[in-house]
Amino acid sequence: DTGVSQDPRHKITKRGQNVTFRCDPISEHNRLYWYRQTLGQGPEFLTYFQNEAQLEKSRLLSDRFSAERPKGSFSTLEIQRTEQGDSAMYLCASSGGYNEQFFGPGTRLTVL
Amino acid sequence: AQKITQTQPGMFVQEKEAVTLDCTYDTSDQSYGLFWYKQPSSGEMIFLIYQGSYDEQNATEGRYSLNFQKARKSANLVISASQLGDSAMYFCAMRVGDYKLSFGAGTTVTVRA
Repeated sequence: DTGVSQDPRHKITKRGQNVTFRCDPISEHNRLYWYRQTLGQGPEFLTYFQNEAQLEKSRLLSDRFSAERPKGSFSTLEIQRTEQGDSAMYLCASSGGYNEQFFGPGTRLTVL
Repeated sequence: AQKITQTQPGMFVQEKEAVTLDCTYDTSDQSYGLFWYKQPSSGEMIFLIYQGSYDEQNATEGRYSLNFQKARKSANLVISASQLGDSAMYFCAMRVGDYKLSFGAGTTVTVRA
């Protein structure tokens, strides 16, 4: 399978715990994106990497959120001290240029 | 700020018929891209079709076509010969600049046998 993969697919955690999600993009893609999608809404942009450089962070990303792409390949998104409002689907996408972004299956986070 | 509007929260279509999903957008930029994605109940976002702002012809991909009316700032998706597997949520999105997409709220399509 050469698509975008995300791990885990589902995560249930208690409020206040830290969680980390992983995204493996399509291997030749140098651009990687994170989006968040809440129920009944379209995805919202969180952050963008070109190779290992994080070029933009949305104002949606509070200080509790951090994303890395250390070697320009896979990326991680960490949420510290989770809150119930963090419950959402976290989507990762990658692209090789300006056109279509290919999405992974997402990680569904539930904060109890 | 860029904005995408999808005014149809839900639509029903009979199998084998065509359906049009509306999308209007707002941007002051001259260079932008418009996308449609399908999201089945499994949650994965599936890319369907792309239209660049400078493309003179409407994009087509199999049963999908994009009716691009630049002056009206609309980018409607037409699905021809609907199939049961087309039942899903459909999102219109716009890329302005180099990367990030702005999505509409989506339209749920239910195909009836």
